[in-house]
Amino acid sequence: EDQVTQSPEALRLQEGESSSLNCSYTVSGLRGLFWYRQDPGKGPEFLFTLYSAGEEKEKERLKATLTKKESFLHITAPKPEDSATYLCAVRPFVSGGSYIPTFGRGTSLIVHP
Amino acid sequence: DVKVTQSSRYLVKRTGEKVFLECVQDMDHENMFWYRQDPGLGLRLIYFSYDVKMKEKGDIPEGYSVSREKKERFSLILESASTNQTSMYLCASSPRTGNTIYFGEGSWLTVV
Repeated sequence: EDQVTQSPEALRLQEGESSSLNCSYTVSGLRGLFWYRQDPGKGPEFLFTLYSAGEEKEKERLKATLTKKESFLHITAPKPEDSATYLCAVRPFVSGGSYIPTFGRGTSLIVHP
Repeated sequence: DVKVTQSSRYLVKRTGEKVFLECVQDMDHENMFWYRQDPGLGLRLIYFSYDVKMKEKGDIPEGYSVSREKKERFSLILESASTNQTSMYLCASSPRTGNTIYFGEGSWLTVV
């Protein structure tokens, strides 16, 4: 069974204090790993898709990296507006094609000014 | 810009009522999804559709049905709403490759 575990569940940072969120996964074969940002009361907003180990993607203060077992979302010099829940999801390779991702439960990030 | 639109943001319904949640996407995506999201439980897949008139059950289909008569529209139906169906419902879509999945803003349903 595919599994996605995100840690920590919650993270409090001071403005400017860089840190990383972790997404570890167990899948039979990885077709893609997704990162999302979700603000309270809203739908998840797509950030990145990573496909293979060693791949990195950046957007403003966020950088996502991927290894064979986990992905990290690095947040550099965060600002209060980066406060949100960050979700990770994996899409496994399934013969015949399956497009259903498995989601983690998210990391709730609060950045204090 | 990518757009997944959920017609109702907030609904309050009575127990036993039939509830329709509508979702429209403007990206010509083949795949569409309905999830519910509850605190501590994360996102749970209710139903999935990979083509018009095609549907597959997700992890928690009991008490729900879906309809996809047109490619851009995917409806979630609660045949007889119950209080344990109070939740946030999220619609999503993706292209056939499934490489990117886009979500709507969510529909908050309260069943009283």
